[in-house]
Amino acid sequence: NAGVTQTPKFRILKIGQSMTLQCAQDMNHNYMYWYRQDPGMGLKLIYYSVGAGITDKGEVPNGYNVSRSTTEDFPLRLELAAPSQTSVYFCASRMDAGLNTEAFFGQGTRLTVV
Amino acid sequence: AQKVTQAQTEISVVEKEDVTLDCVYETRDTTYYLFWYKQPPSGELVFLIRRNSFDEQNEISGRYSWNFQKSTSSFNFTITASQVVDSAVYFCALSALNYGGSQGNLIFGKGTKLSVKP
Repeated sequence: NAGVTQTPKFRILKIGQSMTLQCAQDMNHNYMYWYRQDPGMGLKLIYYSVGAGITDKGEVPNGYNVSRSTTEDFPLRLELAAPSQTSVYFCASRMDAGLNTEAFFGQGTRLTVV
Repeated sequence: AQKVTQAQTEISVVEKEDVTLDCVYETRDTTYYLFWYKQPPSGELVFLIRRNSFDEQNEISGRYSWNFQKSTSSFNFTITASQVVDSAVYFCALSALNYGGSQGNLIFGKGTKLSVKP
């Protein structure tokens, strides 16, 4: 049982390049999330999904896109990378939307845009 | 508005000292949950505890204890006899009904970096 797996762990992008951050979970969780963590700023919600085929914007969605074609996978797409997207990205999943349900996090992807 | 405030950006203590990490939250919901997560230097986020809004009983788990007070909207975390392995960034989070448009999304504080020196 691997939990939540993110790839890659590190990546350097040039301004204007695009890339996809991969996230997969093997816990059959319906709810999945993408957060970004900036130094001293905590985690901000980018996008979330409540099930396959259903996604919605979080607090900071600009510059990103997501898709959810399967329960397991929730990739995050950056189309035109900008220096402001330099951050650590975390994918998370939850069993359900209950307020008490803990989130399980991946190891994070450290992205630098130069 | 939903908000979590961790006013302490960084704390440095010497091993075996007790340390308290503060967390103050804002929400208009009457039902909500509070969480603490630990982020060690390796980077992953580790769940520590959850507490619901109707349960103000303090919780103790080994050297860790949590004090939840609705009257002051606080959910503070105390480490007793701190150890070097406790060095990490600690996040307080609120699970609220209406953040980001969906029930249960977590709202995080900015985190408190704890350094425990030998």
